[in-house]
Amino acid sequence: DQQVKQNSPSLSVQEGRISILNCDYTNSMFDYFLWYKKYPAEGPTFLISISSIKDKNEDGRFTVFLNKSAKHLSLHIVPSQPGDSAVYFCAAISPYNFNKFYFGSGTKLNVKP
Amino acid sequence: DTAVSQTPKYLVTQMGNDKSIKCEQNLGHDTMYWYKQDSKKFLKIMFSYNNKELIINETVPNRFSPKSPDKAHLNLHINSLELGDSAVYFCASSRRGAATNEKLFFGSGTQLSVL
Repeated sequence: DQQVKQNSPSLSVQEGRISILNCDYTNSMFDYFLWYKKYPAEGPTFLISISSIKDKNEDGRFTVFLNKSAKHLSLHIVPSQPGDSAVYFCAAISPYNFNKFYFGSGTKLNVKP
Repeated sequence: DTAVSQTPKYLVTQMGNDKSIKCEQNLGHDTMYWYKQDSKKFLKIMFSYNNKELIINETVPNRFSPKSPDKAHLNLHINSLELGDSAVYFCASSRRGAATNEKLFFGSGTQLSVL
């Protein structure tokens, strides 16, 4: 039972353009969301997060948007750079399930020069 | 210094063997985890320890046994390896579990191949 879903396994974007990665969740008790970036043969690394009390969080070229009513969040990367090519995982946590981070299956982003 | 280090990075073994994967974190975190990335690429939690105490034990076969000698170490021992155990196993830690403003720090993964 996957409570966090990333329905696009891959995305290809031209350098300089915007990359939009999407994530849907089913558990309305999730109150904190994270995005991780993963390069081949490495572990995922934290990128950006958002609390459910906000609808937007920005960090440089990365912005995460949260739409609680739709149970949807998205990661925007502007402008996209070739070094952004990686797999991006969405994750969520619930205050009622201490110690468990729920992950999606990832979206592989390819930024073409 | 690597914050979360796990060894070995690659592990190739025969069916039926017993193997261990070691993990250490130098971040002073209280909580450590084992995640499995299967063929469908989902990161699924297997175990979580908080200060050496087992907190989460997902539906994992008994052949998998985690051991935490201290809060900086969480090892994973697998008995009687099966073909379906082939996956990438990630160790991770967080300061105090899964709470607002917490995040996971991952090791670089162990690619286990069972032949």
